[in-house]
Amino acid sequence: QSALTQPASVSGSPGQSITISCTGTSSDVGGYNYVSWYQQHPGKAPKLMIYEVSNRPSGVSNRFSGSKSGNTASLTISGLQAEDEADYYCSSYTSSSTPFVFGTGTWVSVL
Amino acid sequence: EVQVVESGGGLVQPGGSLRLSCAASGFTFSTYWMTWVRQAPGKGLEWVASIKEDGSEKSYVDSVMGRFTISRDNAKNSLFLRMDSLRAEDTAVYYCARNSYWGFDSWGQGTLVTVSS
Repeated sequence: QSALTQPASVSGSPGQSITISCTGTSSDVGGYNYVSWYQQHPGKAPKLMIYEVSNRPSGVSNRFSGSKSGNTASLTISGLQAEDEADYYCSSYTSSSTPFVFGTGTWVSVL
Repeated sequence: EVQVVESGGGLVQPGGSLRLSCAASGFTFSTYWMTWVRQAPGKGLEWVASIKEDGSEKSYVDSVMGRFTISRDNAKNSLFLRMDSLRAEDTAVYYCARNSYWGFDSWGQGTLVTVSS
């Protein structure tokens, strides 16, 4: 099972919106509404930001939103803030022998 | 407060063994699948293994199949990962995570495993 494909980096200015893509196949992202997104600051544990494509856990800012079209899922951060600078990973359930796969990760920089 | 705390990491020689532990609190441990995820230095996240609520189902990433064993003790709210025949490429921070909503909603701080001679 190959990792899901994400851009290595995305940047934006404070207040802007950015979108991170996560591309898989019909065996994972495209086949199930089980995509989740994680934020990881350097040296820290990952934090769940979005689950089941577009749902936010309690306590996560509504500036974070998720969507999916075909085999590609997306995470949008609106009103970009300095604290959003971190790595972001997508994950999906898969029908392969390994039930979960992560994306390659995207570093978000706030200019 | 939901909390998971890993322990047991350290330096081990290639071919050696190590047992990681994860202590859970703040939730009914026996009603959740649990998972180990690892992150090699400077690299991305990699799903390693998951175990069903009652321990009756387990799954592993191909690269650790036959070498790692995931287990749990619901009476002690604990998750384990037995790692045998360790290789340099197993060097990573290992995270314990609670499965929820087809993702992982609670993570520990991680424990570092270094495989080196």
